[in-house]
Amino acid sequence: AQTVTQSQPEMSVQEAETVTLSCTYDTSESDYYLFWYKQPPSRQMILVIRQEAYKQQNATENRFSVNFQKAAKSFSLKISDSQLGDAAMYFCAYRSPTSYDKVIFGPGTSLSVIP
Amino acid sequence: EAQVTQNPRYLITVTGKKLTVTCSQNMNHEYMSWYRQDPGLGLRQIYYSMNVEVTDKGDVPEGYKVSRKEKRNFPLILESPSPNQTSLYFCASSGPGANVLTFGAGSRLTVL
Repeated sequence: AQTVTQSQPEMSVQEAETVTLSCTYDTSESDYYLFWYKQPPSRQMILVIRQEAYKQQNATENRFSVNFQKAAKSFSLKISDSQLGDAAMYFCAYRSPTSYDKVIFGPGTSLSVIP
Repeated sequence: EAQVTQNPRYLITVTGKKLTVTCSQNMNHEYMSWYRQDPGLGLRQIYYSMNVEVTDKGDVPEGYKVSRKEKRNFPLILESPSPNQTSLYFCASSGPGANVLTFGAGSRLTVL
């Protein structure tokens, strides 16, 4: 069974600095999808970025980028030029195209942004 | 606006009093799912549905029921709530070939 691990329950970053959130996963599949979701205090789950495993190029969305290391089963999120609005809980998630019903979430990392 | 709507957003109830959390999506999505979120555990899947009249258990289905009579609706039923079902609940959906989940705003349930 697939698992997703986020080893940093809490992190903090100075405003305008860069922070990296870690995520590792375990799977025997070769094709899958990986996501980072953001949950601000409003509790809404917001998609930050997604990566298809068959794509070697790391996904980027404005200030957000990932470092996808397929062999190491690592999927870290880098936030550049951190802003106060980035303060949130961040969840890493895995979805299999063969077991499409399952979306596996990590336990989350709470990010604080210091003014 | 494309969205997933959950109701109620907040609910305090007592042990054993049946309740239903409704979920509706306006995107014609086939796949719908319920999750509960607890501190330190992330989101765990309760039930999911691949289409009308097709439902199946997720990782934590005990104490919950669901139905999928219409494509747009996927209610979560707690027949006899217990305090360990106090949690934040999310409904989510996705379309055919789409791998991204669209979430509802969440429902905070407290069982006394």
